Amino acid sequence: QKEVEQNSGPLSVPEGAIASLNCTYSDRGSQSFFWYRQYSGKSPELIMFIYSNGDKEDGRFTAQLNKASQYVSLLIRDSQPSDSATYLCAVNSGGSNYKLTFGKGTLLTVNP
Amino acid sequence: NAGVTQTPKFQVLKTGQSMTLQCAQDMNHNSMYWYRQDPGMGLRLIYYSASEGTTDKGEVPNGYNVSRLNKREFSLRLESAAPSQTSVYFCASKEVDNSPLHFGNGTRLTVT
Repeated sequence: QKEVEQNSGPLSVPEGAIASLNCTYSDRGSQSFFWYRQYSGKSPELIMFIYSNGDKEDGRFTAQLNKASQYVSLLIRDSQPSDSATYLCAVNSGGSNYKLTFGKGTLLTVNP
Repeated sequence: NAGVTQTPKFQVLKTGQSMTLQCAQDMNHNSMYWYRQDPGMGLRLIYYSASEGTTDKGEVPNGYNVSRLNKREFSLRLESAAPSQTSVYFCASKEVDNSPLHFGNGTRLTVT
């Protein structure tokens, strides 16, 4: 069973700080990596995706991928209370680009 | 632009009853998915359809059947509901191999 691991949290940061969310995965063949945000009672919404080693930036969000270490992270700069949500890491698995395996999510709380 | 539409939004069933969850997407996506989400368990893949005319089991298929009716529609059927199937069910779709999933708003199912 291919696994995706995340710290469940809660991760609590003050407003304006950098929030760092981490994810490790077990399938060395994984090629596609996604971060979703899920507010309580809502469906997951895509924040970022990354396919290549290194950093990818989009506004206040930066995704970092290290395939050698099987590690993907999400940095949120200038965190806002509206960023308070559960963040889900998703990785394609089983040698298939069709199947995404999700981590259990990290609950982030940004305190005003 | 509706995206992925799921019906119903809420449902209460008695043990042993059957029902079908409906999902339709208007983005001309090839692949469609059914996930369930339970507290502490994250999102788990039930079934998916890589393309019209094909369906495959995911991580937790027991107790469910699916039908890919056409390119737009992918339904999930519970033949004899059990309390263990109480969950939030999400339908999702995506365009091509490495592209991200787009989720519907979910169906909250309670089996008593």
